[in-house]
Amino acid sequence: DTEVTQTPKHLVMGMTNKKSLKCEQHMGHRAMYWYKQKAKKPPELMFVYSYEKLSINESVPSRFSPECPNSSLLNLHLHALQPEDSALYLCASSPTGGPTDTQYFGPGTRLTVL
Amino acid sequence: QKEVEQNSGPLSVPEGAIASLNCTYSDRVSQSFFWYRQYSGKSPELIMSIYSNGDKEDGRFTAQLNKASQYVSLLIRDSQPSDSATYLCAAEGSNSGYALNFGKGTSLLVTP
Repeated sequence: DTEVTQTPKHLVMGMTNKKSLKCEQHMGHRAMYWYKQKAKKPPELMFVYSYEKLSINESVPSRFSPECPNSSLLNLHLHALQPEDSALYLCASSPTGGPTDTQYFGPGTRLTVL
Repeated sequence: QKEVEQNSGPLSVPEGAIASLNCTYSDRVSQSFFWYRQYSGKSPELIMSIYSNGDKEDGRFTAQLNKASQYVSLLIRDSQPSDSATYLCAAEGSNSGYALNFGKGTSLLVTP
């Protein structure tokens, strides 16, 4: 089973709202990732968690706050977003976060900021 | 900046033909390379991974890696209309926790 699940599938929020995206995997993977993908662009890395610790933050604005409560779960907390933050947010996981890992992507959350 | 370069296309091939997708990368330290297929509005789906120089075949797909030339390719044999999608080439990034650096993707259209 190589399934990564993400909820919600779609999210519409105002600029003053606080919302959270959720990602879950039950493959025993110890590395999890958040990517952001704008239309007709490739995915861009936001955060990497390795063994539940934040290892990479690609200079993401503080209005995005990641959280890894346990090895199976990854959240992305959203606050005071801008319309330009509208995008497809992709979660991925891989076995160890090492150089030969394969990353498996979830279906994504389509976020629209009004 | 470590880069992965792809021709954005669109690449149009007739049904049953071979589609050839190409990719170059700049980070000589990268060890792992991946091809993902992405349908419009969907998430990337892994097609192939390749780690060693040479060819790797899986069904209708063949990935080729040449580390000396920093070149990766994907061949799709007997192309089907359902293969029409954007194909993303990715290299693991040695300076980003081994997260993936993606090319911009090549749009493939297989015409009946």
